[in-house]
Amino acid sequence: EADIYQTPRYLVIGTGKKITLECSQTMGHDKMYWYQQDPGMELHLIHYSYGVNSTEKGDLSSESTVSRIRTEHFPLTLESARPSHTSQYLCASRQGGMGEQFFGPGTRLTVL
Amino acid sequence: AQSVTQLDSQVPVFEEAPVELRCNYSSSVSVYLFWYVQYPNQGLQLLLKYLSGSTLVKGINGFEAEFNKSQTSFHLRKPSVHISDTAEYFCAVSDGNKLVFGAGTILRVKS
Repeated sequence: EADIYQTPRYLVIGTGKKITLECSQTMGHDKMYWYQQDPGMELHLIHYSYGVNSTEKGDLSSESTVSRIRTEHFPLTLESARPSHTSQYLCASRQGGMGEQFFGPGTRLTVL
Repeated sequence: AQSVTQLDSQVPVFEEAPVELRCNYSSSVSVYLFWYVQYPNQGLQLLLKYLSGSTLVKGINGFEAEFNKSQTSFHLRKPSVHISDTAEYFCAVSDGNKLVFGAGTILRVKS
């Protein structure tokens, strides 16, 4: 059973606010990922981590930042939200280099 | 680096008809391949995966896929679709520590 959680599920916020999207997994996976996805569109990798204290930027440039202080936790932060940040954000985790990624339910962010 | 091409952005089909969603990947010595499904406002759920062994892979919800090394393809099939299969489907290939995803195919099942 894959257990990966994202909170909040939906967030509507005003321009300029600081937000943190939470992602936690209980599977002990070493690798974690953040994707940005507009409705019905492709996934864009924006951040990933191969373990504690390891973070890398993904293929799509993003103004967000991430941290990996604990294996199970991989939060994403936007210091100053803008309408262009409106999107769905998906968190995923994976163990090793062969198996599948497990995805959380996503956070749908709307910045007014 | 690996790449994935999903040849159809949308596939309309009538209920109880068969369907094939096409996926091609760039060649590599060894590949691990995946199909995911995404329902509206949800994350991605694994349908099936090919790691090694039999080239015909069976997954959940009656879906199956065939790994074809010579054609570098991994097409997804279902012999009879239901309205509930309406969703977006993503093909992915393992590239080191990451998965590379295709652009997705929206399957629309009509009654």
